Parts: sequence; C-alpha cells; structure tokens
Amino acid sequence: QQQVKQSPQSLIVQKGGISIINCAYENTAFDYFPWYQQFPGKGPALLIAIRPDVSEKKEGRFTISFNKSAKQFSLHIMDSQPGDSATYFCAASANSGAGSYQLTFGKGTKLSVIP
Amino acid sequence: NAGVTQTPKFQVLKTGQSMTLQCAQDMNHNSMYWYRQDPGMGLRLIYYSASEGTTDKGEVPNGYNVSRLNKREFSLRLESAAPSQTSVYFCASSETPGGTEAFFGQGTRLTVV
Repeated sequence: QQQVKQSPQSLIVQKGGISIINCAYENTAFDYFPWYQQFPGKGPALLIAIRPDVSEKKEGRFTISFNKSAKQFSLHIMDSQPGDSATYFCAASANSGAGSYQLTFGKGTKLSVIP
Repeated sequence: NAGVTQTPKFQVLKTGQSMTLQCAQDMNHNSMYWYRQDPGMGLRLIYYSASEGTTDKGEVPNGYNVSRLNKREFSLRLESAAPSQTSVYFCASSETPGGTEAFFGQGTRLTVV
C-alpha cells in the first residue's frame, strides 16, 4: 500500500514564527509532491508543489524542501500568521500506468498560529 | 467561476438506504476523483476516472460505485449505506492524470444513522 507519513499531527506556532511540517514516503515511483491547505468547511486547495528534480521551491512565505535520498519532504511557513491557521496535507503521486493516477495524501497537520 | 460543484452539501441517511452524490466540473478537466475524509485519516481515494469512459478503484472502494456520466460529471453511489460510511466526501478534478493540480469541491457531509 502506498503511504505518505506526515508529522506532526498538530502544531501551535506564535505569530511571526516558522511552521515546519514533515512528510516521508516509501514509493520511489512518486514523482509529484504537492501540499494542500484546507480551511474548516472547505475543500483542500493546492498551496505549492515540487518535483524530485529540484531540492527546494519557494513561493512567498512557503517553501518546500525535498530530500530524494531520504525520501522526505517538508513544508516551511515563514513569518507564520493567524490567517495561516488551517489543516495542511502533503501528498504524492505516481503515474502508475497508462492513464492511471493516484494521489496519496498524508493524514494532515492542524496548524494554529496564535497572536 | 464554479469550479467543482458537489450536491448535496449535507445528507442524513438511515442504514440500508441508498443515495447518489453528484459532482460536476466546468474546467474541461479529463480526470475526476472521489475522496473521503475522516478525522485523523486524511483524504483517502475511493474511485477515480482518468478520462471520460474509464473508472478505477482507489484505496477504499468497498461499498461504493461510480459513474462517469460525461466529461463534466462523476457521481458516487452508496447502494446500502452503513454507519462506517459516515464521512465528508470530496470530489476533485484535474486537467490530466498524474502530476497536475487537483481542484476540490466544497464537500458533502454524510451521516448514516
């Protein structure tokens, strides 16, 4: 069974601090690693994504770090704000065959940014 | 921009009843998906359709059936609802299978009593 393990389950960060969420995977066929952000009562929305040919990708205050040899990737949120309070999911996908596709999600991290 | 629209938003069923969750997307995407979200379990793929005319099982397909009615619409059917199917169901779509952004609907909160 393809798995993506995410930690921590919950995270409390002071406003202005750095939030770090980690994920590890097993399937070396994974070739796309997105992070999704979900607010209560809403569907997940893509935040940032990376492919294994780069080690880091930055978009504003959000950075993905990717370690292919360790099969790990992480999300860093710099200068965390109360508006960042949400549940974050890492995910991974592999094109497992002609026209087939499965996006596997981690179990999620509930981030609370306190003033 | 509607994006991905799911109906209904809320539903209460009695054990053994059947129902169909509807999903439609207006982005001309080829691929569509059904996920369920349970506390502490993340999002688990039930079924997906890589392109019109094809459907495949995901991680947790038991107790569900799907129909890709056309390119826009992908429905999920519960033939005989069970309390274990109490969950929040999300439909999603993406332009191509594999490696592209998936757009999610607002979800259907289903309770089976």
